[in-house]
Amino acid sequence: EAGVTQFPSHSVIEKGQTVTLRCDPISGHDNLYWYRRVMGKEIKFLLHFVKESKQDESGMPNNRFLAERTGGTYSTLKVQPAELEDSGVYFCASSSTIYEQYFGPGTRLTVT
Amino acid sequence: AQSVSQHNHHVILSEAASLELGCNYSYGGTVNLFWYVQYPGQHLQLLLKYFSGDPLVKGIKGFEAEFIKSKFSFNLRKPSVQWSDTAEYFCAVTRNSGYSTLTFGKGTMLLVSP
Repeated sequence: EAGVTQFPSHSVIEKGQTVTLRCDPISGHDNLYWYRRVMGKEIKFLLHFVKESKQDESGMPNNRFLAERTGGTYSTLKVQPAELEDSGVYFCASSSTIYEQYFGPGTRLTVT
Repeated sequence: AQSVSQHNHHVILSEAASLELGCNYSYGGTVNLFWYVQYPGQHLQLLLKYFSGDPLVKGIKGFEAEFIKSKFSFNLRKPSVQWSDTAEYFCAVTRNSGYSTLTFGKGTMLLVSP
């Protein structure tokens, strides 16, 4: 069984540019989560999809961040325009139950 | 809001030494507790979890954790570490109310020297 995959693994962009991160969850997992870890800080929740619906987006920092989940399968997280403080590692996780989450390798975003 | 505190940010041990990583959480209700591990170059993996029942939980690779409700703690232990245990360890909680968002601690970087 394939695990959670994320693309790209690393992205370097300039302030003001747009970046789109992609997450492919484990097949059949209805729950998909985005988390972010800024350097030196804890991993923080961004949002939670159940199928294609946003269950909870209380962790999204501001309206520069837009998450979508097409047809309840893969998800994208767009940052537009990117700011320096958006740098960090963005993790995606998926689950079939509400109690155990499987994480992807993360996308390291560097905004210069 | 709930929070998780991990006592040590960096731990250095020699092989065969015993390990205990502290984790405390703050939340007045019932929680589910987790330890995740991230080995160098790999993704976060679940090490062990506690939902209910026996407060002493055994996980993979010889790790165990004990839930002490009165102390709001869920410390991770291993009697004898190996070089391959070098990794970053994260304690996390979810509220036991159907709300499944993980709240993480800041992580503990463990370095085991051969």
